[in-house]
Formats: sequence, structure tokens, C-alpha cells
Amino acid sequence: SQQGEEDPQALSIQEGENATMNCSYKTSINNLQWYRQNSGRGLVHLILIRSNEREKHSGRLRVTLDTSKKSSSLLITASRAADTASYFCATDEDTGFQKLVFGTGTRLLVSP
Amino acid sequence: DTEVTQTPKHLVMGMTNKKSLKCEQHMGHRAMYWYKQKAKKPPELMFVYSYEKLSINESVPSRFSPECPNSSLLNLHLHALQPEDSALYLCASSRGQGALHSGNTIYFGEGSWLTVV
Repeated sequence: SQQGEEDPQALSIQEGENATMNCSYKTSINNLQWYRQNSGRGLVHLILIRSNEREKHSGRLRVTLDTSKKSSSLLITASRAADTASYFCATDEDTGFQKLVFGTGTRLLVSP
Repeated sequence: DTEVTQTPKHLVMGMTNKKSLKCEQHMGHRAMYWYKQKAKKPPELMFVYSYEKLSINESVPSRFSPECPNSSLLNLHLHALQPEDSALYLCASSRGQGALHSGNTIYFGEGSWLTVV
């Protein structure tokens, strides 16, 4: 089952610009994670934010979480061509099992 | 580089064939997963094994049969598949299952591309 949606579906920017992706979800969660996937490859874990956290940073990544609105955002600052990939949010539902449910994804294209 | 290894990287099989996808990890993880991903879609959970026991089956058709021979290995046996089963099959692992392990990073392999003809 699909937990939620990401917005925008696709984003095209120039190197050096910031990229913001939004994720909405539907149910109560333990945490929310962001993954990156290069075309046709496996997923790489980027960052995790727990349900009691509001903001988290990792290098050029900034993630926010608003549990009242059931939404999260991923900001990539000073983007590079190598950031071109699909980005997925994934929620870990509060069911007692660690069961990641992925959002629809945002395809990011960073042009040199 | 991922520490979850999947073989083969590509597989083409007929609808009457029997084949298997294999996954291996040596991180000491006790939870392993199979996900299916169609083109331009998010991954969808198929199966979860916890301590070598099947703990989640997301109503997957019986033509897909998972097997966990030991804590490092996870197989997906394929039989009588349909062309619509063509997809990228992703294996993943994490330290464990359950509330105590909530928030553990899940590590994904590079996937096996399956084409059913």
C-alpha cells in the first residue's frame, strides 16, 4: 500500500540552486526517512527524522517534519549535477513492525 | 557501495520457467526484506523476514516464494510468472524488527532486473 504523495513529481533546477521536495502521509508514524535512487539502481538512505523531532540536518540536507499536518520536506542546498536522482520519503508505520512504506517520489534533475 | 549483494543483476525468464533471485548480507542484520519496484513507481513491500521467520507477507501471489536459509541469505523463488511481474526486485536488510528497532537504517541492494517473456 502507498502511504502518501510527494510534491513535485519532477523538479528541474540549475547547479547551485536549492531543491525542496515535500512529502505527505496518512497514518501515525514512528519516523520518516528519505531515500535517494539513481536511475535503475538501489536505494540509498539519506536521513531519518523521528516523530518527536521537528528538524534535522545532515551536510547539505535539511529535513523538517510536521506531524500535525502529516507532512515532511527535504531541502538540498547548493545542488550539484550529481544530486540528479529520484528522492523518496518513506514512513515507518506505528504497527510494532518496521515496515517502510514509500511515497510516490520526486525526480530531481540538476543541470550544470 | 551497498553491503547487500543481489544476484543476478538481470534475469530474463519465460512464463514456464523456475528461477531464483538471491540476496546476501554480512552485517549481522536479523531482518531482511523483498521489495518490488515498477518503472517510475515507488518500491512496494512484498515480504519481511525477522530472525529467519516470515513475519510479513503483503498478499503476494504464490508464484513468488521467499526463503531464508540462514540469517545472511534471502532467496525469492519464481515460478509461472506473468509478463506484468517484470520489475526491479530489491532486497534489503536492517538490524532487527519490532518497536525496539524502529528507526534502524534499512540497507538496500542494487536490485535484480527481472523480465518475464
